[in-house]
Amino acid sequence: KAGVTQTPRYLIKTRGQQVTLSCSPISGHRSVSWYQQTPGQGLQFLFEYFSETQRNKGNFPGRFSGRQFSNSRSEMNVSTLELGDSALYLCASSDWTGGHGYTFGSGTRLTVV
Amino acid sequence: AQRVTQPEKLLSVFKGAPVELKCNYSYSGSPELFWYVQYSRQRLQLLLRHISRESIKGFTADLNKGETSFHPKKPFAQEEDSAMYYCALGGATNKLIFGTGTLLAVQP
Repeated sequence: KAGVTQTPRYLIKTRGQQVTLSCSPISGHRSVSWYQQTPGQGLQFLFEYFSETQRNKGNFPGRFSGRQFSNSRSEMNVSTLELGDSALYLCASSDWTGGHGYTFGSGTRLTVV
Repeated sequence: AQRVTQPEKLLSVFKGAPVELKCNYSYSGSPELFWYVQYSRQRLQLLLRHISRESIKGFTADLNKGETSFHPKKPFAQEEDSAMYYCALGGATNKLIFGTGTLLAVQP
């Protein structure tokens, strides 16, 4: 079956702009999580959605937001981009418990200039 | 507080030698431990999860609750094992706390 699909693969944005990233989970997976990966901070949890509801949120400013649609697809949005937002943004999907592990997408590489 | 520690940033071994990755965690509840591997230019892939106790790519690990550790071992390293390895802690909150990663380099 198809894996986790993230679009676009690469993005270049200017400081102050906003950006929307998309994630399509594995069919049947209702939980979608987002992570930020940077060389300095490593992998950090952004938020997790289940059945269109945000269940958990990491320690990121309010400029980072997300949502999940009824088909479990998810989007994350970053407003007023800063240079420090440059990172690889990863989406992961899982079944409702997460105990069987999370399947990650290839990520969206965001560069803010 | 939830925390995952991978003490080794780089682990270099020779092909055919045993390898052991290290992960210690701090968690007050019932932990769920995972290992993920990231090969060059590829996505994060689930390597091990403590609840299944299955062997993937020759790696096996047992959760040691007394020592709060989850160290995978492989008896004979292969060059294709060279990759970045991340330990991750899950639990009731449905989020993963990742360690800083260990780069495994298997020398020929």
